[in-house]
Order: sequence, then C-alpha cells, then structure tokens
Amino acid sequence: QQQVKQSPQSLIVQKGGISIINCAYENTAFDYFPWYQQFPGKGPALLIAIRPDVSEKKEGRFTISFNKSAKQFSLHIMDSQPGDSATYFCAASSSGNTPLVFGKGTRLSVIA
Amino acid sequence: EAGVTQSPTHLIKTRGQQATLRCSPISGHTSVYWYQQALGLGLQFLLWYDEGEERNRGNFPPRFSGRQFPNYSSELNVNALELEDSALYLCASTSRDRGGNEQFFGPGTRLTVL
Repeated sequence: QQQVKQSPQSLIVQKGGISIINCAYENTAFDYFPWYQQFPGKGPALLIAIRPDVSEKKEGRFTISFNKSAKQFSLHIMDSQPGDSATYFCAASSSGNTPLVFGKGTRLSVIA
Repeated sequence: EAGVTQSPTHLIKTRGQQATLRCSPISGHTSVYWYQQALGLGLQFLLWYDEGEERNRGNFPPRFSGRQFPNYSSELNVNALELEDSALYLCASTSRDRGGNEQFFGPGTRLTVL
C-alpha cells in the first residue's frame, strides 16, 4: 500500500513535443505529490508539487494533473527541450513531516 | 541561500568496513532525511531525524544508523558493509514552516563497496 507506480520506464520525445509521465498510488492517506528531476551525478531537484485539493497545477512548461478518484497523477512537459533530458521521479507523502515514497523513475530523452 | 551539502562526494570501502557519510541541511531546516538510491531501485527511505531525534526508519537492517547534531547536521553510519550497499546516498532537508513536506536534496555521496 506504500507503493507509487510510475510509467513509462523510459521515454523518447521529439524536441517541441509533449512528454507525459504517469504515476499511481494506493495509500489514500497520501496528500502531497511532488515531482523531482535528476540529472546524472546530481541529487534530485524539486520541480513541481500538488495537493489533492486541486486537479491541476502549472508552472511554466510543467503541469501536474491529479485524479483523486483514480488515485493517479501525471507530469506533462510542454514544448520539450533537449535540456529536459533527465530522470523524473514522482513521489507521495502524507500530511506533515513524513518520508517520501518514490516511483522508480522515468528516463526522458528529448531528441532534436 | 546555500543548499544541502553532503560529504564526501565519493567513498570507496571494502566489505566488512564501516562508512560514515555527512549532511548539512539548508539553514533553518531542522529535519533531515536519508535515502538510498541503488541502481534500478529508485529512492528508498532510510532514516529521518528531526530536532535531534530519530523519528522513523525505513526497511533497512540495524547496521544502518545515524544521528543528528545540535546544529541539525546529520551523519549516516553503515557498519559491516556489504557489496549491495553500493549506492548513491542522498540527504534531504525540510522545515516545519514549509509544512514539512517540501524536501530539498543534496548532491549525494556515492558509496562503492569492493
């Protein structure tokens, strides 16, 4: 019940296209859903996060869509750029100061 | 504002030895989390320290331990190293005034066990 399932494992997108990464969770106590971006040799960087009281959050080219009834959330990267090539992790946690449960990651490659 | 720092960057040990990894949180952050990122396994929660106390630990054996100092920096100790302990060890910090959920990661320590 603590798992967060992420798909796809890898993704290749043309420059300018839309990258979509999906995550699903089981634990209904989760109420914080962040996405992290990790470049090789670096730690994960917080990209964008959402709470269940909204169905969508947008920051620049990055959008999180959240479906509470389906217990699913997704990251959309609009106008994908080669600089977006990285590994993306979804995560979830419960209220307050609690550990994050991570998906296994999606390796995104944006090709020109 | 300086980010989370970790040292050393790389650490090479042999099986059976002990490893000590260090983390300094963002100024003002009182909570430190440790995660293990092994190849192909994603990030797995190891330990959580808040206000100097261990608050929770993940599904790891007792040879993984640590502590948090009065200045909120933290140390992760891994005893009796095994080959499968080879991984990137990440530290993250957060503060209660951010709701405690927003975790900011350091660059990690790459531990290699030979």
